[in-house]
Amino acid sequence: AQKVTQAQTEISVVEKEDVTLDCVYETRDTTYYLFWYKQPPSGELVFLIRRNSFDEQNEISGRYSWNFQKSTSSFNFTITASQVVDSAVYFCALSEAGGNEKLTFGTGTRLTIIP
Amino acid sequence: DAGITQSPRHKVTETGTPVTLRCHQTENHRYMYWYRQDPGHGLRLIHYSYGVKDTDKGEVSDGYSVSRSKTEDFLLTLESATSSQTSVYFCAIGRWVAGGTEQFFGPGTRLTVL
Repeated sequence: AQKVTQAQTEISVVEKEDVTLDCVYETRDTTYYLFWYKQPPSGELVFLIRRNSFDEQNEISGRYSWNFQKSTSSFNFTITASQVVDSAVYFCALSEAGGNEKLTFGTGTRLTIIP
Repeated sequence: DAGITQSPRHKVTETGTPVTLRCHQTENHRYMYWYRQDPGHGLRLIHYSYGVKDTDKGEVSDGYSVSRSKTEDFLLTLESATSSQTSVYFCAIGRWVAGGTEQFFGPGTRLTVL
């Protein structure tokens, strides 16, 4: 069975600080996908990134970066120079590849950026 | 914008009544999903569909049924609503992008069962 663990339930940082959200996953599949979603206070779910299991290259998109380490089964998300608009709940998710690709979500991390 | 709408957006109902939630997409995607979101649980898959009339169960399917008679519509039915089904329900579509599938979500339906 697949499992995603986001051990940080809530994090608060002061604006402009860097913050890292942790995600640890379990799967027996050799090929899989990892995702991050953002849920702002308005409630919608916003897709941020998909990472394939065979691609361990880290990715940077503006102030966002993702560190995928297969050896530790982790897919961590870092926000650099945080802003108030980054306040949201962030979900990490995992899906099998090549089938129905159902998502298994972590329980989410609530990030609060303090002005 | 993935062209996904959900209706109704909010609903209050009483225990024992049937409830149907609708998900509509405009992009003709094959895969559609229903999730529920509850505090402390993240999102959990209820049912999914891989084509017209092709559906399967997810992690928390008890008490729910689905139907897909057209590509664009995926219906979720609570046969006899219970208070434990009070939740926010999200529909998603699976969009194939080079290298894999990405799921995009509708705006959600907040259901309260009294």
